[in-house]
Amino acid sequence: DTEVTQTPKHLVMGMTNKKSLKCEQHMGHRAMYWYKQKAKKPPELMFVYSYEKLSINESVPSRFSPECPNSSLLNLHLHALQPEDSALYLCASSPAGQRLNTEAFFGQGTRLTVV
Amino acid sequence: SQKIEQNSEALNIQEGKTATLTCNYTNYSPAYLQWYRQDPGRGPVFLLLIRENEKEKRKERLKVTFDTTLKQSLFHITASQPADSATYLCALDMRGNTPLVFGKGTRLSVIA
Repeated sequence: DTEVTQTPKHLVMGMTNKKSLKCEQHMGHRAMYWYKQKAKKPPELMFVYSYEKLSINESVPSRFSPECPNSSLLNLHLHALQPEDSALYLCASSPAGQRLNTEAFFGQGTRLTVV
Repeated sequence: SQKIEQNSEALNIQEGKTATLTCNYTNYSPAYLQWYRQDPGRGPVFLLLIRENEKEKRKERLKVTFDTTLKQSLFHITASQPADSATYLCALDMRGNTPLVFGKGTRLSVIA
């Protein structure tokens, strides 16, 4: 299994809602990432988990809260989002080890719309 | 300041020709450079990785070069096909535990 699976594929939420994005991989990768991508822009790193510990938080607002319950799962909890948070949210994984990146495997993304 | 530039936002070429995409960077010292393909609304897909001590890497119709003196990577697709139409992203891969830094991408359209 060489896939990173993200659910849901699409999500529409109000500014007062609480929702979660989920990501799963069974490749034994020990680094997992959340990226945010706006239209015609490159992916922007949000969080990195290495060996289930949060190793990088790129100054992301606290309305985004990551969680890594185990080595195969990564969640992103969303609360009180703003319309400008609407974007494609990408999860990725890589084998980790001496350096974070070898090749990164990306999921298909969750298209989030905040209304 | 640190910058990654991909030569153009969009590139149109005729089917069968070679597409050449450019990635230039300033004030970075990547140990590796990666290229990804992204289709609309989908996640990027890894294509090739080249190390700083490698000049060239090939995979089927794809070829990547890496010149650390010029601070440039070239990505070639030979015998291009309409199915190659997508956005291609370069990503700088630094030493140690530093995440990938992506360029903005070049949207390639191969016209039949």
